[in-house]
Amino acid sequence: DAGVIQSPRHEVTEMGQEVTLRCKPISGHDYLFWYRQTMMRGLELLIYFNNNVPIDDSGMPEDRFSAKMPNASFSTLKIQPSEPRDSAVYFCASSPHLETYWEQYFGPGTRLTVT
Amino acid sequence: GESVGLHLPTLSVQEGDNSIINCAYSNSASDYFIWYKQESGKGPQFIIDIRSNMDKRQGQRVTVLLNKTVKHLSLQIAATQPGDSAVYFCAEKEGAGSYQLTFGKGTKLSVIP
Repeated sequence: DAGVIQSPRHEVTEMGQEVTLRCKPISGHDYLFWYRQTMMRGLELLIYFNNNVPIDDSGMPEDRFSAKMPNASFSTLKIQPSEPRDSAVYFCASSPHLETYWEQYFGPGTRLTVT
Repeated sequence: GESVGLHLPTLSVQEGDNSIINCAYSNSASDYFIWYKQESGKGPQFIIDIRSNMDKRQGQRVTVLLNKTVKHLSLQIAATQPGDSAVYFCAEKEGAGSYQLTFGKGTKLSVIP
């Protein structure tokens, strides 16, 4: 298996622009997580899905952020409009089991820079 | 241990020595504690977990110790290798029914060949 795939790996955009991050989880994994990592705040859970349904989005910072999972093999995290404080590395992770959901498989991340 | 602000604590060890990475946690109600390894430019990787009713768990070359009295968690790596160089961070899972993980900021382990 190729593991969790994220694209793009790097994204540089100007403030106010829309940004879309993409994720393909490992086949057969029912749980998908989106995280944001910064030096100041560390790793933060934004939202997670179970069988394509958003279960907990309490970590989504504000209405500018939205996430979708139209099918079992694809998810997007969208920021509109983007702001410089959104600059971070965004990780997608998937897990096959809810009972031990912390045994997650992380993708390589997307490094977002908003100027 | 935990970091403050922008600077991660750094632990430098000689190849072949044992490493001990520490973590303080805050929530007495957490029921699982987890260690992750993050190599430069990569996503975190699950290493080992320990349930709150245990005080020690061993894996392959790694041992996690849990001291609930002082809310302290440690990761011991035996015979440290250059491939162990990474940032290690702990996470705690809130009690039953919660799917939130609280992550520490990490400790950078540098292995000297």
